[in-house]
Amino acid sequence: GENVEQHPSTLSVQEGDSAVIKCTYSDSASNYFPWYKQELGKGPQLIIDIRSNVGEKKDQRIAVTLNKTAKHFSLHITETQPEDSAVYFCAASKVSQGNLIFGKGTKLSVKP
Amino acid sequence: NAGVTQTPKFRILKIGQSMTLQCAQDMNHNYMYWYRQDPGMGLKLIYYSVGAGITDKGEVPNGYNVSRSTTEDFPLRLELAAPSQTSVYFCASTFSAVYEQYFGPGTRLTVT
Repeated sequence: GENVEQHPSTLSVQEGDSAVIKCTYSDSASNYFPWYKQELGKGPQLIIDIRSNVGEKKDQRIAVTLNKTAKHFSLHITETQPEDSAVYFCAASKVSQGNLIFGKGTKLSVKP
Repeated sequence: NAGVTQTPKFRILKIGQSMTLQCAQDMNHNYMYWYRQDPGMGLKLIYYSVGAGITDKGEVPNGYNVSRSTTEDFPLRLELAAPSQTSVYFCASTFSAVYEQYFGPGTRLTVT
């Protein structure tokens, strides 16, 4: 079955710097790759997703890149702000699979 | 739309007691999920359902049971609670495995 590895487990950056979180997946048939943000005491919330027919997607300060050949995808946050501090999860799935496979999460801390 | 609702928000159980965690969604989603999240850890899938009358085990199903008699509701039953079941439980729903999952606010359960 699918396996998703996520790195790093913790990441600390200064406000205004960029942050990059990387994930690798094992099943080459996976074609949907979402990223979730979980703030303290809340449920995860989708922030961006990408499908296998696209190599990059941007939404303001957030971007996701996908390399299907290498089977990895990354989350890029530019101009980080303190409110970006949270736990971020990557995941992978495909139509025939009933559920998302999540990475173990990255705790991002943005220092003012 | 209320989205995904969970009750109760908090619960303390004694060892050996049983309880049902309620989850409901008003988005007409076919897919529903139960996850547990231990402190500082990632999401572990307990059970999921791809439609009324259909359920399947996830990564950590032991000690739990589910049913899906309607599209809207997906209750999780804990039988003979154990301290190892102390966790935060999240319910989620989605249109399909390759679309955004919407998470509820969580139920914080302590078994003592």
